[in-house]
Amino acid sequence: GQNIDQPTEMTATEGAIVQINCTYQTSGFNGLFWYQQHAGEAPTFLSYNVLDGLEEKGRFSSFLSRSKGYSYLLLKELQMKDSASYLCAVMDSNYQLIWGAGTKLIIKP
Amino acid sequence: NAGVTQTPKFRILKIGQSMTLQCTQDMNHNYMYWYRQDPGMGLKLIYYSVGAGITDKGEVPNGYNVSRSTTEDFPLRLELAAPSQTSVYFCASRPGGAHTDTQYFGPGTRLTVL
Repeated sequence: GQNIDQPTEMTATEGAIVQINCTYQTSGFNGLFWYQQHAGEAPTFLSYNVLDGLEEKGRFSSFLSRSKGYSYLLLKELQMKDSASYLCAVMDSNYQLIWGAGTKLIIKP
Repeated sequence: NAGVTQTPKFRILKIGQSMTLQCTQDMNHNYMYWYRQDPGMGLKLIYYSVGAGITDKGEVPNGYNVSRSTTEDFPLRLELAAPSQTSVYFCASRPGGAHTDTQYFGPGTRLTVL
């Protein structure tokens, strides 16, 4: 079966750095997406990786290792507004997105 | 552009009732999707469409139906509502062509079946 694993919840301090991990087992791989979802709102796109390596976009970076079935989202200089759930999603061989359950990130002052 | 809009925002149904969740996008996107999101769970694909007149089942289609008569609209029909259909429903769209296109989500419909 297809499976995506992420930690359920993480806590970090304002101004710090946090790494959210995602491991996956899917039928085929056509890229990995990270989305941010604030409570009660819709998911919004953060990043996309299809090749191994690190993609940097401002305070957010995303890393992919296809051989290990592993990705992480790195958030730097954390702000209170970064408190949200972070969803990892893999595009499978049918070009459908398979979604993880999300990691709830709590930022403390 | 309004993007992806969904109505209603909230709805309470009784078991056995039917309803239609509306979804409209004004970005001329070819691909549209319906997901449900249960608490603590990932998004599950219900149905999707690659263009007007073309729809296909996703992972959890039972109890739902869709139609796509225009590029803009992709309504989701619930027949004989059951408590298991209590969830948050998101509609999404993407341009199509490149599979790497990001999906744009509507604000969601929160449905409770009692």
